[in-house]
Amino acid sequence: QAVVTQEPSLTVSPGGTVTLTCGSSTGAVISNHYPYWLQQKPGQAPRTLIYDTTYKHSWTPDRFSGSLLGGKAALTLSGAQPEDDAEYYCLLSYSGVGVFGGGTKLTVL
Amino acid sequence: EVQLVESGGGLVKPGGSLRLSCAASGFTLTNAWMKWVRQAPGKGLEWIGRIKGKAEGGTTDHAAPLKGRFTISRDDSKNTLYLQMNSLKNEDTAVYYCTHYRDSSGLRADTWGQGTLVTVSS
Repeated sequence: QAVVTQEPSLTVSPGGTVTLTCGSSTGAVISNHYPYWLQQKPGQAPRTLIYDTTYKHSWTPDRFSGSLLGGKAALTLSGAQPEDDAEYYCLLSYSGVGVFGGGTKLTVL
Repeated sequence: EVQLVESGGGLVKPGGSLRLSCAASGFTLTNAWMKWVRQAPGKGLEWIGRIKGKAEGGTTDHAAPLKGRFTISRDDSKNTLYLQMNSLKNEDTAVYYCTHYRDSSGLRADTWGQGTLVTVSS
């Protein structure tokens, strides 16, 4: 099974910009991996922010965006808010089989 | 209201079996693409498997490490998704979530159940 890698932790200042990345042990992440980005806060179920690399759900704040960057999937947060302090997971699909990354603990401080 | 309610979790001995249920309300499972995800205490998310809508043949995909022990199925008449877990190990201890993430039409969703805790221990 492929291994999906994320930064274990990142810190961003309120109002700042940060990019979380998601790499694959099989090589470059491409659109056919259909990258998802999920946010999870303590004690809550996860919720999806981004699907299929760039698409947002209706509840996804505009300050979040998804892309492919340097062979990885990326989640960029522009204008961080205190409520963005959370764990972020990427999910890649390998011919229909999903693999989560280990998660990035994002601290807004 | 669109809702998923998991049940069937609990304490089970290593080597035992358990079947989790995920009852859907507010929508029909027939053409829903559903997946199971788990989270061990204090750990990250783990993808277990998914089932496509009936229009796509209702085919399933399972994570390689769990294939053969875990099986996803669906009963459209009961509007319920299942996860059959066999030969359980201590490391299967986790909160198990079912989630609806898209339909056969391509419409995206993101409905999660509240999760059900499975504890594997002697």
